Amino acid sequence: NAGVMQNPRHLVRRRGQEARLRCSPMKGHSHVYWYRQLPEEGLKFMVYLQKENIIDESGMPKERFSAEFPKEGPSILRIQQVVRGDSAAYFCASSQGSVGPHEQFFGPGTRLTVL
Amino acid sequence: DQQVKQNSPSLSVQEGRISILNCDYTNSMFDYFLWYKKYPAEGPTFLISISSIKDKNEDGRFTVFLNKSAKHLSLHIVPSQPGDSAVYFCAASGDTGANSKLTFGKGITLSVRP
Repeated sequence: NAGVMQNPRHLVRRRGQEARLRCSPMKGHSHVYWYRQLPEEGLKFMVYLQKENIIDESGMPKERFSAEFPKEGPSILRIQQVVRGDSAAYFCASSQGSVGPHEQFFGPGTRLTVL
Repeated sequence: DQQVKQNSPSLSVQEGRISILNCDYTNSMFDYFLWYKKYPAEGPTFLISISSIKDKNEDGRFTVFLNKSAKHLSLHIVPSQPGDSAVYFCAASGDTGANSKLTFGKGITLSVRP
């Protein structure tokens, strides 16, 4: 059973470009969470999605960031007009459900560097 | 406002000894507490969790203790092994739905000396 897949693993963008980060959850998991880790910091929650629905986006910056989890295909985190402050590691996690023990399984992360 | 705090940035222990990693929280609405282990350039790996209705959970070499009145939990690793050297994150969440998101501490770097 493959784990959570994220691609690309490394992404370099120039200021003003768009970044698209993809996440394929574990088989059988329908809940996806995105977290961001800035240097020397812990992981910060960004958004929680189920298939075709955004459940909680309270951690997402109000502008330039968006996320989706379509009926078919991976979850996408999109950052428009990237700035240097967006440089971070972005982790996706998936779980079977949101009730009970919350064992979220994490992908390897995408390391975004904005030049 | 940091709701989950890991106040010690690092810990060094001798192989075979006990490692005790501490975590404090401020939000009394948290229902679950989890520990994750992370190696450089990898995603966090789930280690062990505990429900707020329990005070102890054990899994092999790993034991988590929860003191609700003090809003404090700790992870004990016995015996410590060099392969345990990593960053350990304490995390907490509510019960259902939107409360299932994880709130992380900043992490503790554990070094186990051979």
